[in-house]
Amino acid sequence: AQKITQTQPGMFVQEKEAVTLDCTYDTSDPSYGLFWYKQPSSGEMIFLIYQGSYDQQNATEGRYSLNFQKARKSANLVISASQLGDSAMYFCAMWGNQFYFGTGTSLTVIP
Amino acid sequence: NAGVTQTPKFRILKIGQSMTLQCAQDMNHNYMYWYRQDPGMGLKLIYYSVGAGITDKGEVPNGYNVSRSTTEDFPLRLELAAPSQTSVYFCASSYSDFSGSYNEQFFGPGTRLTVL
Repeated sequence: AQKITQTQPGMFVQEKEAVTLDCTYDTSDPSYGLFWYKQPSSGEMIFLIYQGSYDQQNATEGRYSLNFQKARKSANLVISASQLGDSAMYFCAMWGNQFYFGTGTSLTVIP
Repeated sequence: NAGVTQTPKFRILKIGQSMTLQCAQDMNHNYMYWYRQDPGMGLKLIYYSVGAGITDKGEVPNGYNVSRSTTEDFPLRLELAAPSQTSVYFCASSYSDFSGSYNEQFFGPGTRLTVL
C-alpha cells in the first residue's frame, strides 16, 4: 500500500510568487515524522523541513513552511518568494516504522 | 566531517556479477539506510540499520544483503546482478535517541549502477 502520495508530477511558479506542493500520507501509527527533501538536477538529496506527528504548530524553516493537517493526513510544503534556484524535484517522506518516499513533484520557477 | 561517503560513484555490471557498494559516515549516527531511486521515481528503502549488528528489511530488499559490523560502515551487497537492479543507490544516516522525535537524514552523493 502506498504510504505517501504526491499528486502533482510537475508545477510551475513565477519567480517571487508562493507555491504549494501537495503531500498526503497513510499510516495507522500514532507517532510518525514527515519530511520534505529537495533534489536538484545534480542529484543530491537536501533536507528542507520536518514535522512530527505530535507537533502542535506547523514547522517553518526560512522560506519553507509545512502545512500540517493531521485529520486530513496532509503535509503540504509551501515555498514563499520562489527563486530560480528552487527549480528541482521535491519529495515528501514519512518515517513510521521505516521511511517511505513519494514519487516527487518537479518544480520549475519561471523568471 | 566528510558526512556520508559512498563508493564507487559509477559502476557497470554484467548480469550475474556481484558487487558491494560501500557507505561510511563519520557523524556517529546510529541509523543508516540504503535506498534505490529508479528514473523519475522517488526513493525506495532497501535495508536499514538502527545500530551495529542490527539490520532490517525495507520496502524492496530482494536481491540485496547488508551487514553493519561498525557504527561507521554499512555496505550493500548485490548478488547475481539483474537488469532490474539498474538504479541510483543512495546511502543515508541519521541520529535518533528513540524518544519519539525524528531527525533529518544525511545523504551520500549516490552510486549510479547499470546492469547489462
